[in-house]
Amino acid sequence: GENVEQHPSTLSVQEGDSAVIKCTYSDSASNYFPWYKQELGKRPQLIIDIRSNVGEKKDQRIAVTLNKTAKHFSLHITETQPEDSAVYFCAAETNFGNEKLTFGTGTRLTIIP
Amino acid sequence: DSGVTQTPKHLITATGQRVTLRCSPRSGDLSVYWYQQSLDQGLQFLIQYYNGEERAKGNILERFSAQQFPDLHSELNLSSLELGDSALYFCASSPRAGGGEQFFGPGTRLTVL
Repeated sequence: GENVEQHPSTLSVQEGDSAVIKCTYSDSASNYFPWYKQELGKRPQLIIDIRSNVGEKKDQRIAVTLNKTAKHFSLHITETQPEDSAVYFCAAETNFGNEKLTFGTGTRLTIIP
Repeated sequence: DSGVTQTPKHLITATGQRVTLRCSPRSGDLSVYWYQQSLDQGLQFLIQYYNGEERAKGNILERFSAQQFPDLHSELNLSSLELGDSALYFCASSPRAGGGEQFFGPGTRLTVL
């Protein structure tokens, strides 16, 4: 089955700086890669996703890059703000008849004012 | 508010007992997913139903079972509860069988004493 590894487990950055979270996956058949943000005590919410036919996707201050050859993808947050503090989860999914979203173990991001 | 509802919000019970968690998906969504999130842990996929049928299975214990009813709501049954079953249980829904955003409910916090 799919295995998703996520690094780092914790990350602290100064407000205004950039944050990068990296994930690797094992199943080369995976073709959908979402990122979820979970604020303390809240539900996970999708912030950005990318499909395997795209190398990069950007939405305002957040971007995701995908390297299918190396089987890794990354989340980039620029100009970080205090409200970016949360736990971020990457995930990978194959959708060839037995879709299953496998999550990474999460990164706790803290923005230092 | 994602449109996914879960009841109850909190549940406190004793070891050896059985509980039922309920989830109502967003209007029109056919897929329901169940996840377990232990303290400071990632999201562990348990099981997925699509339009009433089991679609994908994760690391769901034999003591746990689920079903999706004709009105598309789903129930997760946990029996012979152990202390280690204490966790936040999330339900998520999506319109398709996979490959797209999952909308998470607020979760049910289960405490086994």
